[in-house]
Order: sequence, then C-alpha cells, then structure tokens
Amino acid sequence: DAGITQSPRYKITETGRQVTLMCHQTWSHSYMFWYRQDLGHGLRLIYYSAAADITDKGEVPDGYVVSRSKTENFPLTLESATRSQTSVYFCASSPDRAEAFFGQGTRLTVV
Amino acid sequence: AQRVTQPEKLLSVFKGAPVELKCNYSYSGSPELFWYVQYSRQRLQLLLRHISRESIKGFTADLNKGETSFHLKKPFAQEEDSAMYYCALSVGGANNLFFGTGTRLTVIP
Repeated sequence: DAGITQSPRYKITETGRQVTLMCHQTWSHSYMFWYRQDLGHGLRLIYYSAAADITDKGEVPDGYVVSRSKTENFPLTLESATRSQTSVYFCASSPDRAEAFFGQGTRLTVV
Repeated sequence: AQRVTQPEKLLSVFKGAPVELKCNYSYSGSPELFWYVQYSRQRLQLLLRHISRESIKGFTADLNKGETSFHLKKPFAQEEDSAMYYCALSVGGANNLFFGTGTRLTVIP
C-alpha cells in the first residue's frame, strides 16, 4: 500500500526494556520525522531526518535513538524505556520541508 | 523562541453555528502557518496552509501578522467537523514545525 505506515499500532513494554517503533513510507520523501503526542503538550518533535544517513535531534530527543539506512525506513528505538515515554508516537514524512504526512500512530505504554 | 498557543482545549458548538478555533503564534520572522486535523480513528492530516489562501471543507484561516494570529473559521459547523485541530508554525521547513496543544471541537447535533 502506498503511503506511510507505522508498526506496531499498540505496544506494551516494561520499564528498562528496549523497544523499536517502525516507520515505512513509499513516496521516497526526503524528510522523515518522529513526534510524540501528549495531553497538554500537543505534538513534540523527537528526531528528524533530511535524507538517508542524515538525522538530527528535535525538541525532546533524550532516551531515543533513530537511524535511516534507507530512505523509506525511519525506526525509532527507546533504548531503556521509562514510564515517561508512555505516549502516542507519530511518524511523518515530507517532500518539501513544509507539509508533513503522518502515519496512524503507535500507542506505547511503559509499565 | 517560537511558540504556538491554542487557548481552548475543548470547544463545543451546535450544528449550523459559526465556529472559530483560535491560534496565536510568537515568531519574529516570516512564519508559515498550518492547520492540521485529526478525525476520530484517522491519521493527522493537513487541513490548510496560509500561503494557499484556500477554503477546505468550508474552513478558512487568515494570517494576521499584527495580532500574530491564525484563527480557523467556518460559518456553519457540521457534525463531521468534530475532530482534534492543531495549529502549526513552520520556521524554515518541516523539520522546524511547531505544533500547538490542540483544540478538540465537538459539534452538537
């Protein structure tokens, strides 16, 4: 299917575990992003990537790691999950550095 | 620093009534502003952007640089407009896209 897809849609993990959220886009957009959505904070940028092998920190990068070995994939890894990382995570891509196209989100619960 | 403020977390209006979702921003340069919408069980999607100056689903938004506002308006609300609305500010591309905290609009039948 064309578009941007995230997996899994729902994930429950334990504190201290490593967890990876996947994001795949079929448009060959240069830019990809990870946001987290929390009540009272809206969407906050975690990391972004301007192209394959180029990544940079956003507003709230601590505790997260990203990689972009291929243009179409942009996985987000929580190296040691904490309860404060319980959130809804959105991946997005953009062709023109302005409009962002979002995935359906991953609801992560850290217990 | 850049900031987007949406003062209303919740907004309820009756069907057919006018609706205005407020958005104020702070940025010293020339901003690019957007409204994104998230309908129930759907992904976040772009509703409109100020540079296109178009009306989408009956919604319009005018950038007022003097008041640093970008309020979203619709003259007659419909039930299908019920959703979460986010105002966003871009200060140099999507990697610098700042979102407000969102307003949940409920249109009462």
